[in-house]
Amino acid sequence: QSVLTQPPSASGTPGQRVTISCSGTRSNIGSNYVYWYQQLPGTAPKRLIYGNNQRPSGVPDRFSGSKSGTSASLAISGLRSEDEAEYYCAAWDDSLSGRVFGGGTKLTVL
Amino acid sequence: EVQLVESGGGLVQPGGSLRLSCAASGFTFSTYNMNWVRQAPGKGLDWVSSISSSSSTIYYADSVKGRFTISRDNAKNSLYLQMNSLRAEDTAVYYCARDDYHGWFFDLWGRGTLVTVSS
Repeated sequence: QSVLTQPPSASGTPGQRVTISCSGTRSNIGSNYVYWYQQLPGTAPKRLIYGNNQRPSGVPDRFSGSKSGTSASLAISGLRSEDEAEYYCAAWDDSLSGRVFGGGTKLTVL
Repeated sequence: EVQLVESGGGLVQPGGSLRLSCAASGFTFSTYNMNWVRQAPGKGLDWVSSISSSSSTIYYADSVKGRFTISRDNAKNSLYLQMNSLRAEDTAVYYCARDDYHGWFFDLWGRGTLVTVSS
């Protein structure tokens, strides 16, 4: 049981916009920054979003992050086949004094 | 090239010990906070431990507290994870991950090393 809650799966067709949600509590998302990671099959994770909505250099602007209260979302616009991957949210948790991840969302491009 | 390379994984019996290493190159290791993150087969990411650049601040997940010890040697550009009293549920790929210069989480990851705890 992960501290942050994500839907186990999401899907979309090429060109579509999809969003992935991440739900937490006041001790994690509610009071700390949110991060998003992409993990392609058989590879290490890659950081997509930090500081709720900041994109590292090299990450396409098709990827965007947002946060409201104790929830966050990752939006992917102009969906492409290479976006098919597992996506994870993460945050610091004040109550646990540690970092926490969501359970991951498997994105399928139909 | 900026990279992290983990080593030391393998098969160990329940109750046994193992020491993982992470060799850093291409950046000034001593100025970055470092972490271990694991992923059980077919499961999600699970944060294990973090250590500050000077080793002054260390955090552990409750699941490994008292059994695992994180450390680093800045002179050798290396991060370590000493794992004792291993359990079947510790079976996972263990990733070494760096926080960026501003402290934002996990900007660089290694390829991971597999630890299997089984009799």
